[in-house]
Amino acid sequence: AQKITQTQPRMFVQEKEAVTLDCTYDTSDPSYGLFWYKQPSSGEMIFLIYQGSYDQQNATEGRYSLNFQKARKSANLVISASQLGDSAMYFCAMREGAGYALNFGKGTSLLVTP
Amino acid sequence: DTGVSQDPRHKITKRGQNVTFRCDPISEHNRLYWYRQTLGQGPEFLTYFQNEAQLEKSRLLSDRFSAERPKGSFSTLEIQRTEQGDSAMYLCASSLDGGYYEQYFGPGTRLTVT
Repeated sequence: AQKITQTQPRMFVQEKEAVTLDCTYDTSDPSYGLFWYKQPSSGEMIFLIYQGSYDQQNATEGRYSLNFQKARKSANLVISASQLGDSAMYFCAMREGAGYALNFGKGTSLLVTP
Repeated sequence: DTGVSQDPRHKITKRGQNVTFRCDPISEHNRLYWYRQTLGQGPEFLTYFQNEAQLEKSRLLSDRFSAERPKGSFSTLEIQRTEQGDSAMYLCASSLDGGYYEQYFGPGTRLTVT
């Protein structure tokens, strides 16, 4: 079964607008971490933001914020004031318990238009 | 801080040949990970090192694959008797000790098996 589900294969947003990329996860472990990565066409995975399962507040990093809804098992990424350089693939990932591996979703392709 | 580096960036090989990839992690990171990414998918975990010890291997890592990290610094991933299904991007990542630390990824090695 898929641990991480990203239901939006492609998203479009106009420059300076906000956009939400969806991510739902599946785990029975009470301790886990959720990560978002950006992968531009160059291929390198760039870390954006992290949310721990015990964190009381939603994580924020500059223009990125994570809308963490634990009961719904969702961890959506919100990008505010989109820029053309935000066009890329975005991956949600989860690390469970004491494990080391990240389980990634299939990603969402974001295109920012002028 | 020079980031995670990988060599080569691209490798084209004929089916049945052996290939070896190298990863140099961020110097103070004692954790090192290998992932494989095929077209249209998120990265899939292959294996993990804590210093020189290989602590976890995915079922994806068949007996044709071997990874080493001899002195706890750089790592190599070897694929013996390559098959066309091995064509993928091989990503290396490193992190500090602790599950809440993000993994920093290298640029990847793109393998094409003809």
